[in-house]
Formats: sequence, structure tokens, C-alpha cells
Amino acid sequence: DVKVTQSSRYLVKRTGEKVFLECVQDMDHENMFWYRQDPGLGLRLIYFSYDVKMKEKGDIPEGYSVSREKKERFSLILESASTNQTSMYLCASSLIQGVMGTEAFFGQGTRLTVV
Amino acid sequence: AQKVTQAQTEISVVEKEDVTLDCVYETRDTTYYLFWYKQPPSGELVFLIRRNSFDEQNEISGRYSWNFQKSTSSFNFTITASQVVDSAVYFCALSGGSTLGRLYFGRGTQLTVWP
Repeated sequence: DVKVTQSSRYLVKRTGEKVFLECVQDMDHENMFWYRQDPGLGLRLIYFSYDVKMKEKGDIPEGYSVSREKKERFSLILESASTNQTSMYLCASSLIQGVMGTEAFFGQGTRLTVV
Repeated sequence: AQKVTQAQTEISVVEKEDVTLDCVYETRDTTYYLFWYKQPPSGELVFLIRRNSFDEQNEISGRYSWNFQKSTSSFNFTITASQVVDSAVYFCALSGGSTLGRLYFGRGTQLTVWP
């Protein structure tokens, strides 16, 4: 079974702190994603990566950066946490078949609270 | 552009009723995948099904069935004889040949099944 593991289930950070959310997948997937989920807004893509050291902005990249130094690991960085970044963060990975992305497998989510 | 619309924000049914969740999509890609995911109260998104744009056959898996109609750009999901354990948020998603494997999600439908 595919396993996507996020480093923390719950996290509380202070405004202005630099925050790292880590995600590891064990299935050698090319694609990795970071989504943010807020009530009524569904899943919004922050960044995704289709290869090591490659990244693409999603719909809401402002205030975030990412790092993918190894294929299995994709990190989301909040450069200076703010209260409006309080949210559920979901990491996912998927395989590429030809030019198509297949189904994504999700981690358990990290509920981040910024105070 | 890629877009997925789930017009039903919330649906409530009583156990044993049948329920259909609607999904309408937009894409300019001729080759694409459609997906359904379930998010139970625990929070982790669970992959349910992937459908290729070239395969319009309906699919049935136990109490779940999916109706894919290219003519109306719809990929609807029916749960027969619903159960309390079906209560969850359900997401429809799309991945196209031009999207580098990125998935586009609808905003989700909250299904509540009452005993």
C-alpha cells in the first residue's frame, strides 16, 4: 500500500515563526503536492512538484515555499507564519503514466494553528 | 482551463435511501482522468475510483456506482442503500494531459446519512 506520512498531526506556532511541514512517500511517485483545506473552500493547491528540485506554483503560493531535495520528501515552508495560515494542510503523491497523473494518495493531514 | 463543479454543498438522507452526488467538469484536454475521493470525519482523503476519458462504461463496486457521460461532461456517483458509515465529504477531481499530473478538485459535497 502507498504510504504518505506527514510529520505532525497537530501543530501550534506563533505569529512570525518559520514553520516546516514535512511529507514523505514510500512509493517512488514522481508527483508530490501540498494542499490547504478550509471550510467551504475545498482543497486549494499551494505548490506541487513533478520531479526532484522542480516545483510549480499552485493557486495560493503566497507566503509559502517548498523544497524537494529527494524524490520521497516534499517540504512546505511558511516563511513567517500568520494567523490567516491557520488551516489543515494535506500532502499527496501520485504516479505519472505517460503524460498523465494518476490518482493521488494523501497523508493524514496536519492541522496548523498560528497564534 | 480545468474546472470541476460539485453543485451540491450538503446532502442529508436517511439510512437505506439511495443518493447521487453530482460532478460536472470542464477541460480542453482530449485525454484525462476523473476521480472520486471520500473524506470521513477522521480527515484523511481516501481514493475511490479513477476513470479514463476513453472509457464511458459505468462502474459498480458493491453499493457504489459511477455514471460517466462525456456528452454532458458529468461523472456522477451513486450510493445505493446508504449507511451511516457513508457520512463523509466526497470530492470529485480531474487530471488532464496538459496538467503535469496536477489534480483539480471540486469543492466537495458533505453527505450526512441519518439512522
